[in-house]
Amino acid sequence: DTGVSQDPRHKITKRGQNVTFRCDPISEHNRLYWYRQTLGQGPEFLTYFQNEAQLEKSRLLSDRFSAERPKGSFSTLEIQRTEQGDSAMYLCASTQPGLSGYTFGSGTRLTVV
Amino acid sequence: GESVGLHLPTLSVQEGDNSIINCAYSNSASDYFIWYKQESGKGPQFIIDIRSNMDKRQGQRVTVLLNKTVKHLSLQIAATQPGDSAVYFCAENSNTGKLIFGQGTTLQVKP
Repeated sequence: DTGVSQDPRHKITKRGQNVTFRCDPISEHNRLYWYRQTLGQGPEFLTYFQNEAQLEKSRLLSDRFSAERPKGSFSTLEIQRTEQGDSAMYLCASTQPGLSGYTFGSGTRLTVV
Repeated sequence: GESVGLHLPTLSVQEGDNSIINCAYSNSASDYFIWYKQESGKGPQFIIDIRSNMDKRQGQRVTVLLNKTVKHLSLQIAATQPGDSAVYFCAENSNTGKLIFGQGTTLQVKP
């Protein structure tokens, strides 16, 4: 296992289109997090899962956003009817209680034109 | 070495000098803190962490100091190298398990 993997690395989409991102966490990690990062800012929490249960969602996660982790392994983040303000880096991280640190993936850079 | 008393968005140091990056955190109940390094186009990379029952922790060339009285965290990098150039973020662990990130500091290392 080489770490947290995110796909795609880059996505350019037209406003109004739907997009879906995938995150594959480190296999033994039962917690998975999604963050959004805009230029010059720190990552902002969106949501997290413990196994397949979505335990917390940020107010940043409007009803156009949905995240799933159906089998407690990989996760998807879908954005419907994208807006220009959705342009950002979407980061995934995983961890396990008792471990040090949270391991981040390289992110998916979304550009909405 | 060069230090920053308050958080500044950019810190410029000479190669070989020591760097000190400061961070103020928000929640006095936070019990776990992490420093991350982020290079352009990459995700944050774990550097070092510290729990609230400690006030200092050392790693390889890095030291984290925690002052719970004033809710202040600092990262010291010894003998700063060009490869240390990046944006550095502190993060605190909320009681729900999510990380809350502070403002980043861009470290520029001059050769």
